[in-house]
Amino acid sequence: AQTVTQSQPEMSVQEAETVTLSCTYDTSENNYYLFWYKQPPSRQMILVIRQEAYKQQNATENRFSVNFQKAAKSFSLKISDSQLGDTAMYFCAFAGMKTSYDKVIFGPGTSLSVIP
Amino acid sequence: GAVVSQHPSRVICKSGTSVKIECRSLDFQATTMFWYRQFPKQSLMLMATSNEGSKATYEQGVEKDKFLINHASLTLSTLTVTSAHPEDSSFYICSAGDRGRYNEQFFGPGTRLTVL
Repeated sequence: AQTVTQSQPEMSVQEAETVTLSCTYDTSENNYYLFWYKQPPSRQMILVIRQEAYKQQNATENRFSVNFQKAAKSFSLKISDSQLGDTAMYFCAFAGMKTSYDKVIFGPGTSLSVIP
Repeated sequence: GAVVSQHPSRVICKSGTSVKIECRSLDFQATTMFWYRQFPKQSLMLMATSNEGSKATYEQGVEKDKFLINHASLTLSTLTVTSAHPEDSSFYICSAGDRGRYNEQFFGPGTRLTVL
């Protein structure tokens, strides 16, 4: 069974600084998707970034980028120029490709606080 | 695009009553919808996968008779908490999948259930 681990329950970063959130996962599959979701205090889940395992190039979305290490099963999220609006819970997630729509497995989350 | 609504956003009920939560995909057809439960400061726990026109698939440990799921159309899934008890109080989130978008799930805003 797939598992997702986030070893940092809480993190903080100064506004405008850079922070990296860690995520590791376990799977026997070769093709899959990885995601980072953000859940602000409103509790609305928001997709931050997505990575297809068959792509070697790391995904980037504006200030958000990932470091995807497939062999190490590691998928970290880097947030550059942190903003107050980045304060939220961040969940790393895994989805397989075996069926047309596999369920998503979420990690336990990292609570990020951006300090002014 | 890819908006998912959830109704109601908040509900308070007496112990022993049943509560229905609706999840709608507003601008796309969702053949698969997912129902999650989230406790404070914890991750999303998948309860069941709902496929249009067929029975839902429940995760281990989730009572099928207590959490009734119906996916009658490509845009609507409902979760009914039957004979609710205080321990059922939680935040319930639905998500809908769009196959054309990399297995990405689009989340509803959630429903906070309080059972007195």
